[in-house]
Amino acid sequence: EVVLTQSPDTLSLSPGERATLSCGASQSIENNYLAWYQQRPGLAPSLLIYDASTRATGVPDRFSGSGSGTDFTLTISRLEPEDFAVYYCQQYGSPVYTFGQGTKLEIK
Amino acid sequence: EVQLVESGGGLLKPGGSLRLSCGASGFNFDSYTMNWVRLAPGKGLEWVASISGSGPYIYYADSVKGRFTISRDNAKNSLFLQMDSLRVADTAIYYCARETADGYSPLNYWGQGTVVTVSS
Repeated sequence: EVVLTQSPDTLSLSPGERATLSCGASQSIENNYLAWYQQRPGLAPSLLIYDASTRATGVPDRFSGSGSGTDFTLTISRLEPEDFAVYYCQQYGSPVYTFGQGTKLEIK
Repeated sequence: EVQLVESGGGLLKPGGSLRLSCGASGFNFDSYTMNWVRLAPGKGLEWVASISGSGPYIYYADSVKGRFTISRDNAKNSLFLQMDSLRVADTAIYYCARETADGYSPLNYWGQGTVVTVSS
């Protein structure tokens, strides 16, 4: 099983600041099949980025993904109030999918 | 419009069994791999299981293998999760989620979730 480790566990920033979230894999992810999801309290997760760097339909361009192999990054260029949530990375390059433990993005 | 609606959650004791259902609409159900994902209290998302569009490819997380069984009825546009030998650690919100394709693809549609509580 591919183990995904996200850092940091919690990120405290202010609206308008830039957020950088990391996701490391225990082995190289096939085809860079890595996705990022946002989950707000009480709601289902929402797909933000797939294939490491492609924005899902309707996702604002302040969200961007990068990386390959074992190291991936989600960047939010200028934080909006609605961006404060929990973010998860997920790999779907091996048949047993896995999620990272999540990064909570909180208002400073 | 794609809709996924889970049902079947409840409160039960350790060792018990439960069958979750997910009704799908708004897309060709048999063309997509479907997944179950759970969120335990105070924890992160955990992928549970997946089943391919026509059903031959089925995968499980190690934590549920041998206890949970995923299945689907394409004629009824329904996904199921049979949960046996339940443990306290299985307490979670269970989400049904559709991939963007039939296998090796991200999860772009999610249901609202159904709550399973295992407690003595």
